Amino acid sequence: DVVMTQSPLSLPVTLGQPASISCRSSQSLVYRDGDTYLNWFQQRPGQTPRRLIYKVSKRDSGVPDRFSGSGSGTDFTLKISRVEAEDFGVYYCMQGTHWPYTFGQGTKLEIK
Amino acid sequence: QVHLVQSGVEVKEPGASVKVSCKASGYTFKTYDIHWVRQAPGQSLEWMGWINGATGGTNHSHKFQGRVTFTRDTSATTAYMELSRLKSEDTAVYHCARSGGLDVWGQGTTVTVSS
Repeated sequence: DVVMTQSPLSLPVTLGQPASISCRSSQSLVYRDGDTYLNWFQQRPGQTPRRLIYKVSKRDSGVPDRFSGSGSGTDFTLKISRVEAEDFGVYYCMQGTHWPYTFGQGTKLEIK
Repeated sequence: QVHLVQSGVEVKEPGASVKVSCKASGYTFKTYDIHWVRQAPGQSLEWMGWINGATGGTNHSHKFQGRVTFTRDTSATTAYMELSRLKSEDTAVYHCARSGGLDVWGQGTTVTVSS
């Protein structure tokens, strides 16, 4: 199975400051069709996960533009340009290129 | 608006089976797969498998080999996940989600396995 490794696992951030989460895969996530199936999800406390980013850098409808995704191959990053109160929770990367699809361990974004 | 609504809380004894439903609305059911993901308490997310909305074809993680069954009823626009021979480690919230991209999620069904 493809192992997804996130860092850091805990990220204390001050409101208004930027945040960055890394996600590395044990194999390239480029699929035979040329696309890279790397998604990012946000899970607020007590809530269902919500997809923010798909195919590395495409933002879902309704997701603020302070969220951005980048990367290629095995190395990916989720950035929040200025953290707001509603952003606190756990973030997961997920690969949908290789079966079985796999998630990272999660990064907890906390108030500093 | 697209919605996935799941069945309610389940409490089961070890060795029993559980069947969770996922009612889809707001889109053409046969156009998308339904995927199943679970989350044990305090843990990350774990992919279980999926069912093709049109053909009923399925695939599942090897971890659940022989224990999980995915079905669907297209007339009811509902997908089902049945997990058998339950163990305490199967205690988790079980989610359905639309497509391999997991763009829309059900609210989750808590399954507790305890004697």
